[in-house]
Amino acid sequence: GQQLNQSPQSMFIQEGEDVSMNCTSSSIFNTWLWYKQDPGEGPVLLIALYKAGELTSNGRLTAQFGITRKDSFLNISASIPSDVGIYFCAGYYSGGSNYKLTFGKGTLLTVNP
Amino acid sequence: EPEVTQTPSHQVTQMGQEVILRCVPISNHLYFYWYRQILGQKVEFLVSFYNNEISEKSEIFDDQFSVERPDGSNFTLKIRSTKLEDSAMYFCASSRDPNSPLHFGNGTRLTVT
Repeated sequence: GQQLNQSPQSMFIQEGEDVSMNCTSSSIFNTWLWYKQDPGEGPVLLIALYKAGELTSNGRLTAQFGITRKDSFLNISASIPSDVGIYFCAGYYSGGSNYKLTFGKGTLLTVNP
Repeated sequence: EPEVTQTPSHQVTQMGQEVILRCVPISNHLYFYWYRQILGQKVEFLVSFYNNEISEKSEIFDDQFSVERPDGSNFTLKIRSTKLEDSAMYFCASSRDPNSPLHFGNGTRLTVT
């Protein structure tokens, strides 16, 4: 199956710092989604991206759909303790099924107050 | 905001027993999905369901698994004879259409002993 390479695997930052994480693939994607998962809960959608080059913000979060359609990044500005959690990129790749969302392995974010 | 609800939140069962995991998707959504997440690993696609039939399934979704929409609101995942390796978080998700982002429930933690 298609693979999404998500990095970094984990991050330890101080409150107030900015954070950046990304996903890359050898395949072209039609849609990129970013989810956050808190312990014991399901993934919650943060941002959805549908076009190459698209840059979308949701509060302190900004995500971009790479021009090559093979990558995406998520930035979090001025992190706060409640940003702690696992962030997953996910997407539908070109030529693949629109029913099967492929997930990255996640980035575990820890924010020290 | 409408949400996907799943019951039970935690199910413990003995190897070889049948389990049924229940989900109530968002009411105006037409596409339903089951994903699973083994502890510490990424979220994996199991099956998608539309118009009362399976649209796609993964290699994980073998003959031990089945899905059903028994009425207008519930969507169930049945595992006929559970194995130890079926222990995982099982997430139900729904979407309005194949191009819309998935909305996930909070999951059922299945423990097979």
